[in-house]
Amino acid sequence: GQQLNQSPQSMFIQEGEDVSMNCTSSSIFNTWLWYKQEPGEGPVLLIALYKAGELTSNGRLTAQFGITRKDSFLNISASIPSDVGIYFCAGQLNAGNMLTFGGGTRLMVKP
Amino acid sequence: NAGVTQTPKFQVLKTGQSMTLQCAQDMNHNSMYWYRQDPGMGLRLIYYSASEGTTDKGEVPNGYNVSRLNKREFSLRLESAAPSQTSVYFCASSVRNYEQYFGPGTRLTVT
Repeated sequence: GQQLNQSPQSMFIQEGEDVSMNCTSSSIFNTWLWYKQEPGEGPVLLIALYKAGELTSNGRLTAQFGITRKDSFLNISASIPSDVGIYFCAGQLNAGNMLTFGGGTRLMVKP
Repeated sequence: NAGVTQTPKFQVLKTGQSMTLQCAQDMNHNSMYWYRQDPGMGLRLIYYSASEGTTDKGEVPNGYNVSRLNKREFSLRLESAAPSQTSVYFCASSVRNYEQYFGPGTRLTVT
């Protein structure tokens, strides 16, 4: 089946630093989604990308749909303590297909 | 709007016991999903319902059954719980297949 690899698996950064994480696939996707999960909660949708090369921002978050359609990137600028959580990428080939999730990147922010 | 709600939040079962996890959404979404999340792993799809009256197997359906009771409600049943089913279970819903919205989760322990 399709596999999504997220890296890094975990990050421990200082407040104020910028963060970059990525998600790569062995096959192409036509939609990429980024979710954040806080402790004890369900994942919350952050950004959705629908076109190769697309760059979309949501506040301090910016995500890009890779031009090869096999990867996506999420950047967080000027991190703050409430950015702590697990960030998941998810890909979908077509609207009739189910989402495939990556294993997540755990972000920890030191005040 | 409450979004996606799940009950119970926590449950402890003995091996062989049965139980039903409940999920309801008030967003008038057509599609609903059940996932499980295990430590260090992403979300794995158990079953989904593309529309009222239909259900289909996902990646890990063994040991589970589902019922799409109406457009709002989608339940997950464990007929004979096993320790391997210890996990966090998330319900999600969507208008279209990709922008899925998740509930807060049910933390299940099988001893």
